[in-house]
Amino acid sequence: DAGITQSPRYKITETGRQVTLMCHQTWSHSYMFWYRQDLGHGLRLIYYSAAADITDKGEVPDGYVVSRSKTENFPLTLESATRSQTSVYFCASFRDRGLNTEAFFGQGTRLTVV
Amino acid sequence: DQQVKQNSPSLSVQEGRISILNCDYTNSMFDYFLWYKKYPAEGPTFLISISSIKDKNEDGRFTVFLNKSAKHLSLHIVPSQPGDSAVYFCAATPAGTASKLTFGTGTRLQVTL
Repeated sequence: DAGITQSPRYKITETGRQVTLMCHQTWSHSYMFWYRQDLGHGLRLIYYSAAADITDKGEVPDGYVVSRSKTENFPLTLESATRSQTSVYFCASFRDRGLNTEAFFGQGTRLTVV
Repeated sequence: DQQVKQNSPSLSVQEGRISILNCDYTNSMFDYFLWYKKYPAEGPTFLISISSIKDKNEDGRFTVFLNKSAKHLSLHIVPSQPGDSAVYFCAATPAGTASKLTFGTGTRLQVTL
């Protein structure tokens, strides 16, 4: 099915462990993004990618690593999870139609770090 | 520094009435504005957008107004329906720069019967 999918939907991990959140899109959109949603902060950009092998930091990149070897995949890795990284993570891809920019979001991954 | 602000965390409106959600921004480089709707356990979905060359954009029951001089935009939903109950996020970006989409903190709208 066309769209953007995230896996897993729910994850519980221990402090200090490495965890990877997966994101896959089928539209071949150039841009992909990772956001985290926290109460009182809305959606904050962690990392984004303009194309395969091109990534850049967003507003809150510390503690996260991304890669984009293929256009359709954009995994987010927490190298050593901390409790402050407990959050809901959303992956998005952008369709840039000239002046109009519209983002499509995955269903989210709820990550709990204990 | 919150560049996009939604100062009302929640709003309750009766079914059939108008819902008005507000958003303020501080970055004068923002040129394109979007509203997203989010249901629990789902990702945000695009609702409506407006470019700075316009001051109003309508799509069915949803209208977005932009006041550039005040750096303020609002989303009007008329008439409000119970299915509109969700969290609404305002977002802004400089034109042509998809990478710089900045979101507000969201307003939870509850439409009551």
